[in-house]
Amino acid sequence: GQQVMQIPQYQHVQEGEDFTTYCNSSTTLSNIQWYKQRPGGHPVFLIQLVKSGEVKKQKRLTFQFGEAKKNSSLHITATQTTDVGTYFCAGWGDSNYQLIWGAGTKLIIKP
Amino acid sequence: DAGVIQSPRHEVTEMGQEVTLRCKPISGHNSLFWYRQTMMRGLELLIYFNNNVPIDDSGMPEDRFSAKMPNASFSTLKIQPSEPRDSAVYFCASSFQLSNQPQHFGDGTRLSIL
Repeated sequence: GQQVMQIPQYQHVQEGEDFTTYCNSSTTLSNIQWYKQRPGGHPVFLIQLVKSGEVKKQKRLTFQFGEAKKNSSLHITATQTTDVGTYFCAGWGDSNYQLIWGAGTKLIIKP
Repeated sequence: DAGVIQSPRHEVTEMGQEVTLRCKPISGHNSLFWYRQTMMRGLELLIYFNNNVPIDDSGMPEDRFSAKMPNASFSTLKIQPSEPRDSAVYFCASSFQLSNQPQHFGDGTRLSIL
């Protein structure tokens, strides 16, 4: 079936370092959404990408949607302690009404 | 504006008991999603509704789980009989439309089956 692979599962960074998480779909997506879940909280919507090759920025966060609409990435520049949490991608299949979530990437700031 | 409201926030019960989780979506949203989250399995999509009709229930783990949406402002997720492996945080989310709108999550129900 349709799958979205998200890597890495965990990323440990020093505060101030960059962070990137990647999502790859087995099939074309009509759109992709990104969510952040703080420890003990619920997922919170960050952004949606719809167009092939789309790039969107939110302050230190940069989101990309691949040309083939099968992959996406989230890059955080100069991480801060407030960035700690798990980042999920979620995509809707282009050929069916099926929502597939990535497994999430946990961002951990080294003490 | 009120967000997605889930009840109860916490539930502790013994195995074999029936458990009912409740969700009130954001007013005006016509799509509703139920999720389960555990350390082992991560975030799992169980079922989602559009205009009160179940669209995809392929994530429902087994027949012990059932979900209903009798009207646009209320949904339930029922587990009968409950088992310890059902212990998890259950989230409900709603969105204005099914596939191209943000999902707004409730605070979740933390379920413990003893």
